Amino acid sequence: TQLLEQSPQFLSIQEGENLTVYCNSSSVFSSLQWYRQEPGEGPVLLVTVVTGGEVKKLKRLTFQFGDARKDSSLHITAAQPGDTGLYLCAGRPNDYKLSFGAGTTVTVRA
Amino acid sequence: NAGVTQTPKFQVLKTGQSMTLQCAQDMNHNSMYWYRQDPGMGLRLIYYSASEGTTDKGEVPNGYNVSRLNKREFSLRLESAAPSQTSVYFCASTLTGADTEAFFGQGTRLTVV
Repeated sequence: TQLLEQSPQFLSIQEGENLTVYCNSSSVFSSLQWYRQEPGEGPVLLVTVVTGGEVKKLKRLTFQFGDARKDSSLHITAAQPGDTGLYLCAGRPNDYKLSFGAGTTVTVRA
Repeated sequence: NAGVTQTPKFQVLKTGQSMTLQCAQDMNHNSMYWYRQDPGMGLRLIYYSASEGTTDKGEVPNGYNVSRLNKREFSLRLESAAPSQTSVYFCASTLTGADTEAFFGQGTRLTVV
């Protein structure tokens, strides 16, 4: 059982549609992070959310941290083919260990 | 602008052979990590090193050993490779702290036949 559960595992949508990816845990985190990974590359950080209830926006991407700090979501508005990739949430059960969810593969069709 | 450098990028091993994956970072980071990535399983933590001189097991440590050679370098050793260790391996580093960014290498694609 993974510490961080992501859903859905796969998402395929048409350009211009919206999508939401979820990251859930039974544990409380001081912060959660979202990374994006493209084929053949390592993951790259998109955002860190640190306060319960926090909402952060990065252009068409909106990230939310749950009030209880056990879950987070990533919403993409008007998805573009360039948004295609593997989206991973990550959190630290202690200050040093960094654990990842299984990821959501997003495909945006032109 | 090297960041995190992993070698080699590709490797094919026969069952029972040994090898060491090398990782070096030039960002003066305290913490370093080794992950493996398999389809549908995200990144699973093998070992991590909170600081120079310390190492700890992650979620899937069996069959692996690590060495934090100095602050810059963190190596991963497979003593007797098995087909189940076929995977893509990533090294990462961070400063210490709950919300610091992890920087990743480009990965090593390992196949054990």
